[in-house]
Amino acid sequence: GDSVTQMEGPVTLSEEAFLTINCTYTATGYPSLFWYVQYPGEGLQLLLKATKADDKGSNKGFEATYRKETTSFHLEKGSVQVSDSAVYFCANTGTASKLTFGTGTRLQVTL
Amino acid sequence: KAGVTQTPRYLIKTRGQQVTLSCSPISGHRSVSWYQQTPGQGLQFLFEYFSETQRNKGNFPGRFSGRQFSNSRSEMNVSTLELGDSALYLCASSLLSGVNEKLFFGSGTQLSVL
Repeated sequence: GDSVTQMEGPVTLSEEAFLTINCTYTATGYPSLFWYVQYPGEGLQLLLKATKADDKGSNKGFEATYRKETTSFHLEKGSVQVSDSAVYFCANTGTASKLTFGTGTRLQVTL
Repeated sequence: KAGVTQTPRYLIKTRGQQVTLSCSPISGHRSVSWYQQTPGQGLQFLFEYFSETQRNKGNFPGRFSGRQFSNSRSEMNVSTLELGDSALYLCASSLLSGVNEKLFFGSGTQLSVL
């Protein structure tokens, strides 16, 4: 079946540090891949997406590249800010018309 | 444009009771999906409604049900509540139903079952 595996958190970084959150997936067919972010007390927001192999999604300084050969979609940011503190969810569409989410990775950025 | 609105924001129930949660999608959006979020299981898909028809259903028992009205507003119902039903229930709307549709999430309803 479809699944998404994310690195466990929390991830604690100092401001301006480099961020990587790993995400791998299994799916039949050619899924679209997404990163969603959830700020405290809010619902999820789409951060970025990629719909085919080698596509790079980017938004607000975050990037992720769809790697079919390694079935990965790792999230990166060159310099994190305190305001990036949130929970990040990787997701794929798989074969059904729904999203399969990873368990989420909490990011804490300190001054 | 108003976002996705979920009511109530918080709910406390006891085992055996039933509960109804409401979701008003963004104006013009015809698809509404429901997700259950728990610390242990993460986000799990419950069901999706499009134009008043259930399009897809996740692996939840029949105690979990939903419906969608002609104005696209949706409700989900959980009967015979169990302790394990305590969770944040998130609703998401999209313009159409489809794997690449952008989902817009509400802030959720936090359900506590005592």
